[in-house]
Amino acid sequence: KAGVTQTPRYLIKTRGQQVTLSCSPISGHRSVSWYQQTPGQGLQFLFEYFSETQRNKGNFPGRFSGRQFSNSRSEMNVSTLELGDSALYLCASSWGQGNHNEQFFGPGTRLTVL
Amino acid sequence: AQSVTQLGSHVSVSEGALVLLRCNYSSSVPPYLFWYVQYPNQGLQLLLKYTSAATLVKGINGFEAEFKKSETSFHLTKPSAHMSDAAEYFCAVIPNSGYSTLTFGKGTMLLVSP
Repeated sequence: KAGVTQTPRYLIKTRGQQVTLSCSPISGHRSVSWYQQTPGQGLQFLFEYFSETQRNKGNFPGRFSGRQFSNSRSEMNVSTLELGDSALYLCASSWGQGNHNEQFFGPGTRLTVL
Repeated sequence: AQSVTQLGSHVSVSEGALVLLRCNYSSSVPPYLFWYVQYPNQGLQLLLKYTSAATLVKGINGFEAEFKKSETSFHLTKPSAHMSDAAEYFCAVIPNSGYSTLTFGKGTMLLVSP
């Protein structure tokens, strides 16, 4: 069974631009979560989607948004990029909702903002 | 809010020595607890998880962790370090809230010398 895939793997943008990152969960998984990883702040939760509905959202500005499609694939968008948005963005999928469902992580998208 | 403290941003051991990575959580109600490992340029891989069953949890690659409610700890151990264990390790919690959002510690980089 294929794992979580994220595209693109690497991305370079300039300040003020916008970017869209994609995540394809493991087949059969309906929940997708996004996390931002930076050296200074560590791993921080962005949002979680289940069956096309946002279930939970982290403490990030409105420039960060996401969505989930009927096939469970998810995208996140960052508008008006800032230097501080440079990070590794990780997507995780799980079978369902609930505390104990194991989350499987993708390799991440490395975003560099110049 | 839940928080996780990992003591020591870097831990160095010799090959064959005991590995001990410390994790403490803040909660009056035992949450679900996880240890993840991250190799360079990769996503996170689940090592083991505690979901209120046995307090001693065995994971992959010879790692295990013991849940101690009285100490609010969930330290990760491995009897004998291998060079391939060199990576960054993250402790994470999910509160008993119905959501599946992971809150991560800052991570501990494990360095293994020959």
